Amino acid sequence: AQKVTQAQTEISVVEKEDVTLDCVYETRDTTYYLFWYKQPPSGELVFLIRRNSFDEQNEISGRYSWNFQKSTSSFNFTITASQVVDSAVYFCALSEVGRNFNKFYFGSGTKLNVKP
Amino acid sequence: EPEVTQTPSHQVTQMGQEVILRCVPISNHLYFYWYRQILGQKVEFLVSFYNNEISEKSEIFDDQFSVERPDGSNFTLKIRSTKLEDSAMYFCASTAWGTYEQYFGPGTRLTVT
Repeated sequence: AQKVTQAQTEISVVEKEDVTLDCVYETRDTTYYLFWYKQPPSGELVFLIRRNSFDEQNEISGRYSWNFQKSTSSFNFTITASQVVDSAVYFCALSEVGRNFNKFYFGSGTKLNVKP
Repeated sequence: EPEVTQTPSHQVTQMGQEVILRCVPISNHLYFYWYRQILGQKVEFLVSFYNNEISEKSEIFDDQFSVERPDGSNFTLKIRSTKLEDSAMYFCASTAWGTYEQYFGPGTRLTVT
């Protein structure tokens, strides 16, 4: 079974549209961390956010916002007023604290295309 | 800000050759990892390393792979006899004691021809 599921393989939007990237995770641990990374065409992983399982408060950072809901095991990412520079592959990841030296489980990624 | 570095950024090798991918983790970090990403696919865990030994490895990490921390600063991934399917981006990561954020390097793109 997949630990992290990103059901949207690819999304295309027009600049200035809002877009939400979905992430559903699975774990039996009560303590864990969730992450979002951006991977531009150059290939590096750019850290966007970390959230621990005890902090369900939604977070906003500029045009980015994250909605963490433990009840549905989801950690969705919304980009408001998308821009062409947002075009990239976005990965959600899970780290289960206290075991396996915190290896990351990545989702399969969502490719976001923002057209001008 | 401290960062994880990886060399080379791109390596091309012939099938059957040995390659060594190099990483310099952040200096006070104690846990080290290698991940692999085949083009167009997700990032997959290969191995974790702590206290000079492997703490966990995935099914991908077979006898062709080995890791080493030869001098207290570098962390290397060796592939003894490369196959075409080893072509991928390889990411190194490190974590400090008591924290849960992994710092990823920029990756080494390995192309096996």
